[in-house]
Amino acid sequence: SQQGEEDPQALSIQEGENATMNCSYKTSINNLQWYRQNSGRGLVHLILIRSNEREKHSGRLRVTLDTSKKSSSLLITASRAADTASYFCATDARRDDKIIFGKGTRLHILP
Amino acid sequence: DGGITQSPKYLFRKEGQNVTLSCEQNLNHDAMYWYRQDPGQGLRLIYYSQIVNDFQKGDIAEGYSVSREKKESFPLTVTSAQKNPTAFYLCASSIDPPGAWNTEAFFGQGTRLTVV
Repeated sequence: SQQGEEDPQALSIQEGENATMNCSYKTSINNLQWYRQNSGRGLVHLILIRSNEREKHSGRLRVTLDTSKKSSSLLITASRAADTASYFCATDARRDDKIIFGKGTRLHILP
Repeated sequence: DGGITQSPKYLFRKEGQNVTLSCEQNLNHDAMYWYRQDPGQGLRLIYYSQIVNDFQKGDIAEGYSVSREKKESFPLTVTSAQKNPTAFYLCASSIDPPGAWNTEAFFGQGTRLTVV
């Protein structure tokens, strides 16, 4: 069962620009999380936003959550080459006792 | 150093063989998970465990089995019944099970399984 869907599937931007990725989900959630995956590696947790929060910041990351639209966005400001990776949203849905991941957005930062 | 360790990093399986992937964590986490990732795809949940001696099927459990005899260990066996096992397997753990307060997942570095 696919809960979160990221958009776009792939994104290429120039170094220094901002990158925005979106995630839509289907059912009510306890929280939504964003992860990064470098090629061939495990996932690294970036940020968790709870259902009663609307915005959260961590360094160059800004996450928003709109529960009325069942969507979230991840903004990476002032992108760097090291930000090149796949980014996944994951939802902790209220009706399920499991964390479900989307298919991810592949971000490529051009030098 | 606390963390979650998967072994081996690469594994080759002959047709009809069972293989076991190891996952060990020293984070004292209650919840543990196994995911499968195919090229260019997201993660699909195979099995998860919220507590020792208990585990639940995920979305693609057929052809796989697990055990959770110790809090720190959650091995995954890929059986011969799994017809297309070639994939990247990821193990993860979290302090709390889904639905609780702290569900941030920590991942191992993965095991790449190839059928030869």
